Amino acid sequence: AQSVTQLGSHVSVSEGALVLLRCNYSSSVPPYLFWYVQYPNQGLQLLLKYTSAATLVKGINGFEAEFKKSETSFHLTKPSAHMSDAAEYFCAVNTGNQFYFGTGTSLTVIP
Amino acid sequence: KAGVTQTPRYLIKTRGQQVTLSCSPISGHRSVSWYQQTPGQGLQFLFEYFSETQRNKGNFPGRFSGRQFSNSRSEMNVSTLELGDSALYLCASSPAQTGGWYEQYFGPGTRLTVT
Repeated sequence: AQSVTQLGSHVSVSEGALVLLRCNYSSSVPPYLFWYVQYPNQGLQLLLKYTSAATLVKGINGFEAEFKKSETSFHLTKPSAHMSDAAEYFCAVNTGNQFYFGTGTSLTVIP
Repeated sequence: KAGVTQTPRYLIKTRGQQVTLSCSPISGHRSVSWYQQTPGQGLQFLFEYFSETQRNKGNFPGRFSGRQFSNSRSEMNVSTLELGDSALYLCASSPAQTGGWYEQYFGPGTRLTVT
């Protein structure tokens, strides 16, 4: 079973609209959850991580994610999309032995 | 602090050749992990080194190998290159062994093209 599952390989939003990227994790893994972003021809950059201090995690560039144990979800949101948000987004879980990454969601922002 | 650096950034090799990629982690980081990224398979874990010891290994053939030096710099080697080895190879460093809340910091990657 996949440790993390990202629903939707491609998401398009209008500039200024809400961004919602979905991630569900396997209940069999510890909830060490992360969101990364990858811009073209670059490595991955950490957006935010869940540390159990709070279920709502704020990250860089206005992104945030909410940890919901009952739904085994860690969806990424941003209230208002900007053109510069166009990129590939990866949800990841640290199982203690290695990181497992989701298959990624490509975000397109329409002007 | 300087970020993770990878050299070279781009590489073109011929089938059957071998290649060595280099990664310098963030200063003070002792864990280095390698990933292969392709459009079809996404990000796949190759191996992790911590304090010069391979701690974990993904499901790749023995043609893929790596090592870590005492200064935490790491190299990965791919022998007898195949067309399917064409990918972006990413290196990531972490202050500790993979586990818990420790995030990984990624380098820009080495784009390997096998012809």
